[in-house]
Amino acid sequence: NAGVTQTPKFRVLKTGQSMTLLCAQDMNHEYMYWYRQDPGMGLRLIHYSVGEGTTAKGEVPDGYNVSRLKKQNFLLGLESAAPSQTSVYFCASRDYLGTEQYFGPGTRLTVT
Amino acid sequence: KQEVTQIPAALSVPEGENLVLNCSFTDSAIYNLQWFRQDPGKGLTSLLLIQSSQREQTSGRLNASLDKSSGRSTLYIAASQPGDSATYLCAVYKNRDDKIIFGKGTRLHILP
Repeated sequence: NAGVTQTPKFRVLKTGQSMTLLCAQDMNHEYMYWYRQDPGMGLRLIHYSVGEGTTAKGEVPDGYNVSRLKKQNFLLGLESAAPSQTSVYFCASRDYLGTEQYFGPGTRLTVT
Repeated sequence: KQEVTQIPAALSVPEGENLVLNCSFTDSAIYNLQWFRQDPGKGLTSLLLIQSSQREQTSGRLNASLDKSSGRSTLYIAASQPGDSATYLCAVYKNRDDKIIFGKGTRLHILP
């Protein structure tokens, strides 16, 4: 049981490049979340999903897209990276009963 | 709009002392409240989850309390140790299906 995993762990992009971050969970959780964490700003929700095939916008969705084609995976895409998207990205999941949230180890992204 | 505040932003205490971390929220109609620990450069680790019908939860040297009517939760750490040094975050669940709102955390440093 690996819990929540994130791929990749680190990435450096040039402005305008695109990439996809993968989050996978093996706990059969319904809900999945993408957050970004920046110094002084705390954790901010980008997008979330309440089940396979569903997505919803969080607090800071602009510049990001997501997909939840399989229940265990939640993908976060950056179509045209900007320096303002330099951050640490965390994925999390929880079950439909709404009990505790489990976090992945994070992806550190730098956009130059 | 739910807002979650953690004061102080940083705290240093000598080893062995008992201490209390505070979390306040503006909307008392919450589903759950969860306390996390985050070590530098790492992901979030769940410490305690308090459901809305509960008043407190305990795990080892940690005790978390919840007072919905006053919009407050506290995390009590007994007999602090240098290994307790980390950032502690609280997160409020508005309802089972909704997104979760995080405080910005309290950075705790235990002095040997």
